[in-house]
Amino acid sequence: GAVVSQHPSRVICKSGTSVKIECRSLDFQATTMFWYRQFPKQSLMLMATSNEGSKATYEQGVEKDKFLINHASLTLSTLTVTSAHPEDSSFYICSASLTGGSGNEQFFGPGTRLTVL
Amino acid sequence: SQKIEQNSEALNIQEGKTATLTCNYTNYSPAYLQWYRQDPGRGPVFLLLIRENEKEKRKERLKVTFDTTLKQSLFHITASQPADSATYLCAPHTGRRALTFGSGTRLQVQP
Repeated sequence: GAVVSQHPSRVICKSGTSVKIECRSLDFQATTMFWYRQFPKQSLMLMATSNEGSKATYEQGVEKDKFLINHASLTLSTLTVTSAHPEDSSFYICSASLTGGSGNEQFFGPGTRLTVL
Repeated sequence: SQKIEQNSEALNIQEGKTATLTCNYTNYSPAYLQWYRQDPGRGPVFLLLIRENEKEKRKERLKVTFDTTLKQSLFHITASQPADSATYLCAPHTGRRALTFGSGTRLQVQP
């Protein structure tokens, strides 16, 4: 089946630093990937849609200058949390859908736990 | 506005029993609905997709129903096992490629 990986799985950083999270589709090409954020005991909330070769589309309330998304190839999207603060601590999950697949089935990465001290 | 509701209280059942989880939605008409499983600290895993013209869909011990009149989907796990313990998320199709999830229901199967 389609596999999506994320790196790192866990990161702890100091307030004010930037953190980059990678999302890779390992055995398929994804023109579109999605970035979600999940706070404890809450559901996944869409942050942005990452489009290969073009600018990402951000959801309302998500700062595009703070959460930089780069989709440089058909298998890689990166999310950079710039000037991270403790309130950015969360579980970040990416997903990708198979091009041409039916029903919009999505494959999720294992997630990245970000802790900002 | 579009709304997706899942029972936020945990569901506790005995091993071997059937677990039934509910997903209700309002203010839109999804063409299909998906169910995902999420374990703690992990990303969601796709389980089943049911289309609006399908009343019921089965996959091994899983069964999903889709009632477009009631605007509700039921997710059943028969002969439940402790390994089925997880949070189950529903995602009715909202017309976007990205998924919009319900808050999820945590299932705990007691041995």
